[in-house]
Amino acid sequence: QAVVTQEPSLTVSPGGTVTLTCGSATGAVTSGHFPYWFQQKPGQAPRTLVYDTSKKYSWTPARFSGSLLRGKAALTLSGAQPEDEADYYCLLSYTGARRVFGGGTKLTVL
Amino acid sequence: QVQLVQSGAEVKKPGASVKVSCKASGYTFTSYYLHWVRQAPGQGLEWMGIINPSGGSTIHAQKFQGRVIMTRDTSTSTVYMELSSLISEDTGVYYCARDGAEGLFQVWGEGTMVTVSS
Repeated sequence: QAVVTQEPSLTVSPGGTVTLTCGSATGAVTSGHFPYWFQQKPGQAPRTLVYDTSKKYSWTPARFSGSLLRGKAALTLSGAQPEDEADYYCLLSYTGARRVFGGGTKLTVL
Repeated sequence: QVQLVQSGAEVKKPGASVKVSCKASGYTFTSYYLHWVRQAPGQGLEWMGIINPSGGSTIHAQKFQGRVIMTRDTSTSTVYMELSSLISEDTGVYYCARDGAEGLFQVWGEGTMVTVSS
């Protein structure tokens, strides 16, 4: 099974900008991995924020954006709010429509 | 509105099997694939597999091959995930999540806690 890597933890100041990344042990992440990004707060089910690298759902705050950055998928938060403090997970698709989650990034807004 | 309602918490002994259900409502059941995702206590998310409610075909993560069975009952708009030969590491919350017309994992169930303990 493929290994998907994320930063274990990041800190951002309120109003600041932070970029979370998602790498694949098999090589560069491309649009063909259809990267997804999820937000999860304690005691809650995950919420999907971004799909297919950069597409957003109607409920995704405008301050979140997805991209590909130097061989990785990236989620950029511009103008962090206290309510953005959460765990963030990426997910990549591999051969045979199998998906793999990254280990998650704990984002602190401080 | 679109809802996924999961079955209640389970406590199982090592070696036993567990069957978790996910009942869909508010949409045409056969129109969207459903995933199963689990999360061990304090750990990250783990994709288990996907089922096509229309034809019943499934794809599983290789880790669960031979141990997981995903089925559906179109008469009750319910999908099931059965995990066998349980070990303590299978303890966690199991979620179902539905795809959308654009994008996957649009709607999530509330999760089902499965505890494996002797």
